[in-house]
This record gives sequence, C-alpha cells and structure tokens, in this order.
Amino acid sequence: GNSVTQMEGPVTLSEEAFLTINCTYTATGYPSLFWYVQYPGEGLQLLLKATKADDKGSNKGFEATYRKETTSFHLEKGSVQVSDSAVYFCALSPTDSWGKFQFGAGTQVVVTP
Amino acid sequence: AAGVIQSPRHLIKEKRETATLKCYPIPRHDTVYWYQQGPGQDPQFLISFYEKMQSDKGSIPDRFSAQQFSDYHSELNMSSLELGDSALYFCASSLSRTSGRVPFFGPGTRLTVL
Repeated sequence: GNSVTQMEGPVTLSEEAFLTINCTYTATGYPSLFWYVQYPGEGLQLLLKATKADDKGSNKGFEATYRKETTSFHLEKGSVQVSDSAVYFCALSPTDSWGKFQFGAGTQVVVTP
Repeated sequence: AAGVIQSPRHLIKEKRETATLKCYPIPRHDTVYWYQQGPGQDPQFLISFYEKMQSDKGSIPDRFSAQQFSDYHSELNMSSLELGDSALYFCASSLSRTSGRVPFFGPGTRLTVL
C-alpha cells in the first residue's frame, strides 16, 4: 500500500533560519505529492503540490521538488518567520483514487524570535 | 473566496449517542471527502463521494454512514459513539475527481465523546 514517512518533530528554529523537513513516500504508479500546513486549532491548508517527477512546487517562500529516483518530496524554506510555526503534513494522492490522501505523521515546527 | 463550510464546529456527545456532521463544499465542487484526525495523529481517509455516489471508502467504521445530497452537501452520521471517536473530522471538496483538481479542506468539526 501507499505510505508517507516524514521526519519527526518538533523542529525548533530561530527566526531567519533555514528549514528542511524530509519526506519520503512509497506508492504504486505516479502519485501527486502535497504539503499541507495546519496552524493551531485550524484546518489543513494547501501549501504546495507537485504532480509529476521533477516538478517543483512553491508558495510563500516554501519549495519542494518531486524526486522520483529517491521517492522524496522534501520541504524547504530559506528564512523562516515566527508565523511559520505550525504542523506540516506531507501527503500523496494516488491518481486512481484521487483525493484519497495518505498523510505523513506531521512535523511540528516551532520558530522562536 | 468561498471555502468549505463544516457544521457544527464543535460537538460534545455522550457514549452511545449519535452525531451528524455536515459539510458544504465550495460552490460548483461536486466531490466531497471525509477525514478523521485523532489527537496528535495524521488525518485518516474515511470516505468520498462524487456526484452523490460513493467513490472511495477507507477506514470508516460500520457505525458510521455518509451520503451526498443533490445540492452536493454531505453528512456524516455516527452512531453508538465511543470514546475513541473523539477527533477532528475534516471535510474536503474538489471540482470533480480528476487528477490535479486539488481538494480544499474545511476547518473541521471537533467531536468530543464523554
């Protein structure tokens, strides 16, 4: 079956530091890959996505590249802000069951001033 | 922009009671997905509907049922509630089940079973 593995948190950083959250996946076929962010007490917000190998998703300074050879979709941001403090979920959606997301366990990121 | 609406936002029930959660998709979205997120856990797929028909089924207990209505809103009915049903229930919607049509999530309904 499909699975997503992402690094455990919490990840604690100082403002303006570089953020990387590793995410690897196992899937049949060619899934689409996503990063969702969840702020405290809120729902899931789409951060970025990539639908095929070598695609780069980007939004609000965050980037992730779909690497099929390493089955990875690592999230990066060059300079984090306190407002980036949240839980980040890596997820995949199989193309034959679109929207049936398999999420990773989530990584809590805490950015301190 | 209009978003997915879920009601109620918070719900407290006793064991063995029933609960009904409602989801109103983004206008023109015809596909609805339900997820359950336990405390400190990742969301788990329960069930989805496309054009009022069930399209996919995940780890939904037999005590739960769901449907999508002609106006595309969906309801998740939960009976014989157990303590373990306490969770955040998300609904998401998308414009068709076509690959690439990103599902947008609602704010969730927090269900507490006492």
